[in-house]
Amino acid sequence: QVQLLESGPGLVKPSQTLSLTCTVSGDSISRGHYYWTWIRQSAGKGLEWIGRILTDGSTRYNPSLKSRGTISMDTSKNQFSLTLTSVTAADTAIYYCARGVAPVISTRGWYAPWGQGTLVTVSS
Amino acid sequence: EIVLTQSPDTLSLSPGERVTLPCRASQSVDSDSLAWYQQKPAQAPRLLIYATSTRATGIPDRFSGSGSGTDFTLTISRLEPEDFAVYYCQQYRSSPITFGQGTRLEIK
Repeated sequence: QVQLLESGPGLVKPSQTLSLTCTVSGDSISRGHYYWTWIRQSAGKGLEWIGRILTDGSTRYNPSLKSRGTISMDTSKNQFSLTLTSVTAADTAIYYCARGVAPVISTRGWYAPWGQGTLVTVSS
Repeated sequence: EIVLTQSPDTLSLSPGERVTLPCRASQSVDSDSLAWYQQKPAQAPRLLIYATSTRATGIPDRFSGSGSGTDFTLTISRLEPEDFAVYYCQQYRSSPITFGQGTRLEIK
């Protein structure tokens, strides 16, 4: 059974960098046919797709982040990570990592399972 | 960006009732690029339906999805007490992936 678990600081100061890690168990992040995603949820914006990384390391991000986000993977640890620079109060949210499943010849699809989520608050 | 609109924000229903939850897209999503999720308090969303009408593993058959183009629906044929939650639609027709704002089912 695949499980994902987010970890990282729960409090980040404005203008600093948010860093989160997702540890995957029960599946290898190197295995094809899946991709690895970050999604956040806030009261103001609902569910917002942040971006994804494929098994070949290629990434794609939501333009709403204005190039502040980076997703990377460490296959030796079976983890993938999110960094978000220059954070503001608007980045306060529950951050989820999730496994993406895409139809053949596509890099977009649905998400299952999700991690439990981690609350990140941006405040001085 | 494809905007997904779910309405109403909240529905009050009784166990045993049938409910249809709409999701309207700002542009065509094709017939197989839509998913539905259920979220309960303090939990992550759980996948219910993908490719518009395919139930995810372990999802009871009282949940069904349909639609095409810009109009999609999630139907729960007979509400069980555990079905009272928030439901989100999600499109994967184009990037960025987007979600609807959700419809909350509450017990009347």
